[in-house]
Formats: sequence, structure tokens, C-alpha cells
Amino acid sequence: EPEVTQTPSHQVTQMGQEVILRCVPISNHLYFYWYRQILGQKVEFLVSFYNNEISEKSEIFDDQFSVERPDGSNFTLKIRSTKLEDSAMYFCASSFQGHQAFGSGTQLSVL
Amino acid sequence: GENVEQHPSTLSVQEGDSAVIKCTYSDSASNYFPWYKQELGKRPQLIIDIRSNVGEKKDQRIAVTLNKTAKHFSLHITETQPEDSAVYFCAATQESGGSQGNLIFGKGTKLSVKP
Repeated sequence: EPEVTQTPSHQVTQMGQEVILRCVPISNHLYFYWYRQILGQKVEFLVSFYNNEISEKSEIFDDQFSVERPDGSNFTLKIRSTKLEDSAMYFCASSFQGHQAFGSGTQLSVL
Repeated sequence: GENVEQHPSTLSVQEGDSAVIKCTYSDSASNYFPWYKQELGKRPQLIIDIRSNVGEKKDQRIAVTLNKTAKHFSLHITETQPEDSAVYFCAATQESGGSQGNLIFGKGTKLSVKP
């Protein structure tokens, strides 16, 4: 069964640095999402993306965040200037006429 | 916006017993309700989902019921096994024409099945 893949699995960065989290959605999926999960808490929606534009975004997704689909396969989340509170597991998900399939996540640690 | 409440936060059962996890939602426009299982350090995996045009759905030992009037839905696991131990999340969203809105998750239930 095809899966959503994410890289890297772990990312450690210094506060104020830029990070890019990468995702390869399932190939025939058209809708893409980013979620995050702070340790021990529920999964929270960040942003959804369809037809090369943002469909919806949450209050968490402020000006420090951006998403891009640079080619036909990758979907990236960029955090321009990381803060301590950005430390979390970031999940990418994709869907097409069905449930949202989640990637294995990127654990981001901001020091 | 949508708000999803989930209870209990922890649940411990003996192997072979049944487990029930309950969720309520606030937005009557929500029409798609998935349940995800998350093992420690792993991705959330869909285990069952239900749409608002049905009241119950079953897949082997797992069933989900939906009460649209009361805005609540429940996950039922029968004949629990140790490998059912995980955190279970309910979620709600609007689905239209093949596209889904963002999932709003409950806070999760940590299920422990004791052998």
C-alpha cells in the first residue's frame, strides 16, 4: 500500500534558524495537509493545500510558516525563524476521495 | 469552528474485554468522522471511519456508531488484545465532492490492554 513519506525523521535546529520539512504525498492524491503534535497532546491542523494554493490555515500558521509544492511530487513546510515552541512532531497528510493518510512525521527540536 | 471532545483520556481493560471511547462534536456541518490509532512514536493510522449518512459501521472487532442528533460518535473494540494498546484519536471534518476539510482531533485516549 502506498504511503506518505517525510524527511528528515528528526531535525534539530537553533532558535531563529530556518527549517524546511519535506513530504512526498501519495502519487494520485490531490489534497495536502500539514499537522503538528506537541509531545503528549492532540494532533493540530496547520494548513491545507489544493491546486497549488492554500485552502485553509489555522491560527498557528502565521507569517513564519509557508508551504510549497516545488514540483510534481514534493510538498514542503518552511518555518522561517524557529521558536522554542515550534518543537513538535510535524505530520504531512494527503487525500483524494477518501481518508487522509499520514506520513511518519518529522520530530523538530528547537534549542 | 468545530470542537471535538473525547473521553476517557485513559482506559485500561483486561484482554478479551470490550473498550468504548466516546467523542462529541459541535459543528452540525461535520459529516465525516475518522478514528486513528497511534502507537508510540509512529504515525496516526486510520482504523475506521463513518460518514453522516449511516449510523453504524463495523469492521471485524471494531465498530463505530454515530448519533447525529446528539452530535456524538463512539468507537467500540471487542475482544481486546494486547496489540490494541495505543492512543486512539477521534476526529471530525466536512467532506464534499471528494475533498476533506482539516481534521479536528480529540485529545486522544490511551488504551492499555492487560494480558
